[in-house]
Amino acid sequence: DAGVIQSPRHEVTEMGQEVTLRCKPISGHDYLFWYRQTMMRGLELLIYFNNNVPIDDSGMPEDRFSAKMPNASFSTLKIQPSEPRDSAVYFCASSWASGGGETQYFGPGTRLLVL
Amino acid sequence: GESVGLHLPTLSVQEGDNSIINCAYSNSASDYFIWYKQESGKGPQFIIDIRSNMDKRQGQRVTVLLNKTVKHLSLQIAATQPGDSAVYFCAENRGDKIIFGKGTRLHILP
Repeated sequence: DAGVIQSPRHEVTEMGQEVTLRCKPISGHDYLFWYRQTMMRGLELLIYFNNNVPIDDSGMPEDRFSAKMPNASFSTLKIQPSEPRDSAVYFCASSWASGGGETQYFGPGTRLLVL
Repeated sequence: GESVGLHLPTLSVQEGDNSIINCAYSNSASDYFIWYKQESGKGPQFIIDIRSNMDKRQGQRVTVLLNKTVKHLSLQIAATQPGDSAVYFCAENRGDKIIFGKGTRLHILP
């Protein structure tokens, strides 16, 4: 398996533009997690899905952020409109069981810069 | 509030020496902890975990110690190598979620 796949790996955009980050989880995994990593706040859980259903979105910073998982092999995280403070590395992770750190596999991340 | 945190932001260790990375937690009910390693430009990678019914667990060149009395855990890396250079996170498993600490950057000195 190729592991968790994220695209794009790097994104530079201007304030006010819409940004869409994509994730393909590992086949067979039924949990998908979106994280954001910054120097100031560390690694934060934004939202996670179980069997394509959003379970907890309490980490989503505000209404400008939205996430979807239309099927078991694809998820998107959208920011609209984007702001400079959204600049961060966004990680997607997937797992095949509830919790269990050893089963949560991270993608390589998308580095987002909002000018 | 409850948190999982690290004592030092940066640790420098001579190649070949043992490294010890410390972590404190605040929730006495916490029962499952995980250590992750994050290399530059990559996502976090699982290293080792420990549950509260244990006080020590060993892996390949790594050992995690858990002291529930003082709510402290540590990651020990034996014979540190250049490839161990990374940021290390302790994390707490809370049901479906994993709550990460801020991380310690490990520098390997030649």
